[in-house]
Amino acid sequence: GQNIDQPTEMTATEGAIVQINCTYQTSGFNGLFWYQQHAGEAPTFLSYNVLDGLEEKGRFSSFLSRSKGYSYLLLKELQMKDSASYLCAVNYGGATNKLIFGTGTLLAVQP
Amino acid sequence: GAGVSQSPSNKVTEKGKDVELRCDPISGHTALYWYRQRLGQGLEFLIYFQGNSAPDKSGLPSDRFSAERTGESVSTLTIQRTQQEDSAVYLCASSIRGTSGRYNEQFFGPGTRLTVL
Repeated sequence: GQNIDQPTEMTATEGAIVQINCTYQTSGFNGLFWYQQHAGEAPTFLSYNVLDGLEEKGRFSSFLSRSKGYSYLLLKELQMKDSASYLCAVNYGGATNKLIFGTGTLLAVQP
Repeated sequence: GAGVSQSPSNKVTEKGKDVELRCDPISGHTALYWYRQRLGQGLEFLIYFQGNSAPDKSGLPSDRFSAERTGESVSTLTIQRTQQEDSAVYLCASSIRGTSGRYNEQFFGPGTRLTVL
């Protein structure tokens, strides 16, 4: 089967750095996405990794290690508006290239 | 340009009634997904349409759930004989195509909040 694991909740302080981890065990791999979802809203795209290494985009960076089945999302200079759920999703390929989502990590940023 | 739209935004129904939820994907997107999200929980995959291929229905929780898609446009999710456990937000997403790479990025609609009394 396909499986994605993320911590359920995390708490961090405004201005700090937080790392949200995601591990996956899937039958194939064709890329990994991170989405942000604020309460009561739809998920929105944050980042995409298909090769090993770090992708940086402003305050957000995402890292991938395919050999370890591991990714993390790094948020720097945390702001209160970063309080949201962060979803890891893996395209495990196959005939339909379907995405499987983790249950998400609820991040609370405190002043 | 228009994003993914869903209607209705909210639906309150009585147990045992049928409901129909609608999704209009982004024009030109061949792949369309339906998800269910219960309060405080993650996304639960329901069904996936990709072009003219047979849909992947592996996530539908029971035979009360069904979905259709007309070509590469609008999709409807139907829930028959609704139960209180069906109460959730139903999200639709579309992507350019169901391939590898960035083209698989999903764009989500605002969702339909279904409440079954």
